[in-house]
Amino acid sequence: GNSVTQMEGPVTLSEEAFLTINCTYTATGYPSLFWYVQYPGEGLQLLLKATKADDKGSNKGFEATYRKETTSFHLEKGSVQVSDSAVYFCALIPSGGSYIPTFGRGTSLIVHP
Amino acid sequence: EAGVTQFPSHSVIEKGQTVTLRCDPISGHDNLYWYRRVMGKEIKFLLHFVKESKQDESGMPNNRFLAERTGGTYSTLKVQPAELEDSGVYFCASSPGVYTGELFFGEGSRLTVL
Repeated sequence: GNSVTQMEGPVTLSEEAFLTINCTYTATGYPSLFWYVQYPGEGLQLLLKATKADDKGSNKGFEATYRKETTSFHLEKGSVQVSDSAVYFCALIPSGGSYIPTFGRGTSLIVHP
Repeated sequence: EAGVTQFPSHSVIEKGQTVTLRCDPISGHDNLYWYRRVMGKEIKFLLHFVKESKQDESGMPNNRFLAERTGGTYSTLKVQPAELEDSGVYFCASSPGVYTGELFFGEGSRLTVL
């Protein structure tokens, strides 16, 4: 079946540090890949997405590149801010058939001033 | 535009009791989803409505869970009788269509079964 594996958190960084949150997936065909973010006290919201191999999704300074050869979609940001503290979820929608998103376990990011 | 709202935000009940969670999707969104997250694990799919019809309920854990969507508007998820392993955060999400992959989530309802 389809699955998403994320690195365990929490990830703790100082402000302006470089961020990487790893995400790998298992799926047949060519799924679409997503990163969602959940800020404290809020619901999940879409951060970025990529729908085909080698596509790069980007938003709010975050980027992720769809790597088919390594089945990965790692999230990166060059300089994190305290306001980026949140839980980040990687997700996929399989190609063909059901359009139900499959989510990972989430990675908590804590950014200190 | 109002977002997805869920009620209650937190419910604490005894094992064997009944709880009903409610979700009001964004107006005009035909697709409504229920997910559950248990203690830092994956957000697991429970079921998907298109309007008032259950499109996919393959994730419902057992027959103690009953979901309804009256008139294609709000939805309820009832757990009866609740067990300890039902504790977790229940998320509702809605979307206008299924092809973009973007779901709009509520803040979740945290259920604690003692």
